[in-house]
Amino acid sequence: DIQMTQSPSSLPASLGDRVTITCRASQDIGNYLRWFQQKPGKSPRLMIYGATNLANGVPSRFSGSRSGSDYSLTINSLESEDMAIYYCLQHNEYPFTFGSGTKLEIK
Amino acid sequence: EVKLVESGGGLVQPGRSLKLSCAASGFNFNDYWMGWVRQAPGKGLEWIGEINKDSSTINYTPSLKDKFTISRDNAQNTLYLQMSKLGSEDTAIYYCARGLRDWGQGVMVTVSS
Repeated sequence: DIQMTQSPSSLPASLGDRVTITCRASQDIGNYLRWFQQKPGKSPRLMIYGATNLANGVPSRFSGSRSGSDYSLTINSLESEDMAIYYCLQHNEYPFTFGSGTKLEIK
Repeated sequence: EVKLVESGGGLVQPGRSLKLSCAASGFNFNDYWMGWVRQAPGKGLEWIGEINKDSSTINYTPSLKDKFTISRDNAQNTLYLQMSKLGSEDTAIYYCARGLRDWGQGVMVTVSS
């Protein structure tokens, strides 16, 4: 199985900060990488697909990038509504696998 | 509007079976792969498996392949997850998802005696 190593597990940040979350894939997954946001008691929400493409309705302060086997989610100018847990998912090869999650919280 | 509504969850005894349903509306169900993801209390997301448009291809995460069965009824716009030999480790919220893009609200399954 492809392992998705996500870091950090917890990210304290202040409103207005720029933050970056990273997932490292244990094997090549091309750009078959998605990012999800999950708020307490809610279903996950797709934020980024194809490693770099913004999903419908997602604010432009969110962006995705790739450098080799490292995939990153960056949020510019953090807002209070961004506080959530973020997960990456590889869907290049079965079984699909999620990262362990990053809890973004107010410092 | 895409709508996915899971049902069939609840409290079930260890070793028993349970079948979840996911009713889809707002889109042409026949045109999409559908899948299931679960989340144990306080834990991360776990991909269970997915099924293609005409049920000819179904893939599972290996650890669940012998316990869980995914199926669909395109005439009823419904996705199913048949779970057997349930154990406490299967206690989770179960989500159905359209193409890993749109998700239902989830249904809780608690396995306990």
